[in-house]
Amino acid sequence: EAGVVQSPRYKIIEKKQPVAFWCNPISGHNTLYWYRQNLGQGPELLIRYENEEAVDDSQLPKDRFSAERLKGVDSTLKIQPAELGDSAVYLCASSNTGYEQYFGPGTRLTVT
Amino acid sequence: DQQVKQNSPSLSVQEGRISILNCDYTNSMFDYFLWYKKYPAEGPTFLISISSIKDKNEDGRFTVFLNKSAKHLSLHIVPSQPGDSAVYFCAASAIDNNDMRFGAGTRLTVKP
Repeated sequence: EAGVVQSPRYKIIEKKQPVAFWCNPISGHNTLYWYRQNLGQGPELLIRYENEEAVDDSQLPKDRFSAERLKGVDSTLKIQPAELGDSAVYLCASSNTGYEQYFGPGTRLTVT
Repeated sequence: DQQVKQNSPSLSVQEGRISILNCDYTNSMFDYFLWYKKYPAEGPTFLISISSIKDKNEDGRFTVFLNKSAKHLSLHIVPSQPGDSAVYFCAASAIDNNDMRFGAGTRLTVKP
């Protein structure tokens, strides 16, 4: 069974530029999560989807971040415009139980 | 607010000995606890979990202990192997809320 796929793996952009991350969850997993992990910290939830509905986006900085999960399968997370403080690893995870979550390899974003 | 805390940023043990990683939590609503292992440049991988109705769960060399009165859990790895060297994250969630909270992680180094 294929795991969670994320792309790109690495991205370097200048501040104020837009950036987008893509995630394809494990087949059959209805719940999809986007996390941000800063250096030396654990993952922090940005948004959770149940199928195509965003059921928890309370931690998503909505002035610059947006996400979508069309058709309830793959998802895109966008930042526009990026700021220096957005440099982090962005992790996507999926679950079919609501408890064990399976993570992708992440996208390491560097904003210069 | 950091609801899940891993107070030891690093731990070093000799191969063959026991590794004990600790985690404390503050939210009494948490009822499911997980440990994830993370290698460099990879996403966290699920290792072992425990429900609040249990105080111990064992899977091969890995055992998780839960002390609800102390709001404390620990992961025991015995015997430790060099391949266990990784960052270990403790995570917790509540049954009515899929919002999983992670600790900051403990870097385990197992020396040959």
